[in-house]
Amino acid sequence: GDSVTQMEGPVTLSEEAFLTINCTYTATGYPSLFWYVQYPGEGLQLLLKATKADDKGSNKGFEATYRKETTSFHLEKGSVQVSDSAVYFCALSCYRGEYAGGTSYGKLTFGQGTILTVHP
Amino acid sequence: ETGVTQSPTHLIKTRGQQVTLRCSSQSGHNTVSWYQQALGQGPQFIFQYYREEENGRGNFPPRFSGLQFPNYSSELNVNALELDDSALYLCASSLGPATNEKLFFGSGTQLSVL
Repeated sequence: GDSVTQMEGPVTLSEEAFLTINCTYTATGYPSLFWYVQYPGEGLQLLLKATKADDKGSNKGFEATYRKETTSFHLEKGSVQVSDSAVYFCALSCYRGEYAGGTSYGKLTFGQGTILTVHP
Repeated sequence: ETGVTQSPTHLIKTRGQQVTLRCSSQSGHNTVSWYQQALGQGPQFIFQYYREEENGRGNFPPRFSGLQFPNYSSELNVNALELDDSALYLCASSLGPATNEKLFFGSGTQLSVL
């Protein structure tokens, strides 16, 4: 089945440091890939996504490139801020075919999350 | 904020009891998905509702059931609660059920089973 593996955390950085959070995946079919972020006390928010090989998703200074050959989608940011402290989840979504009602459906398969703490 | 609201925010139940969690989807969204997030883990897909019918289900037993109403709000019901059901339950709404639709998550309901 589908699975997502993220680098073990937590990750602790100083402000303005470079960030990389590794993510690799296993999927049957051709998935779309996502990074979600969860701030304390809040729900998950979509950070960025990529839907085909070599696509680069980017948002708020974060970037990730869909690498089919290495089945990876690593998250990077050149200079982190204290406000980036949160839990980051890598996720994939594959077409699941038709359900009982004849409509397609999608579900997200998440990694275990990486806690990022940025100190001033 | 996403416009997806969940209630209650916290809940404590005892083993064997039943619980109902509620979710109001974002305006214009006809699809609601439910996820279970155990402590220190990523969310796991429970099921999806589209136009008031179940439209996909993850690997959860039948004691997890749901409803979607004509206004597209949704309920998650769990019968015969077990200690392992303690988790954060997340609801997400979207414009449609397909793979690439953007999900908007609520802040979740924290369920503790004693």
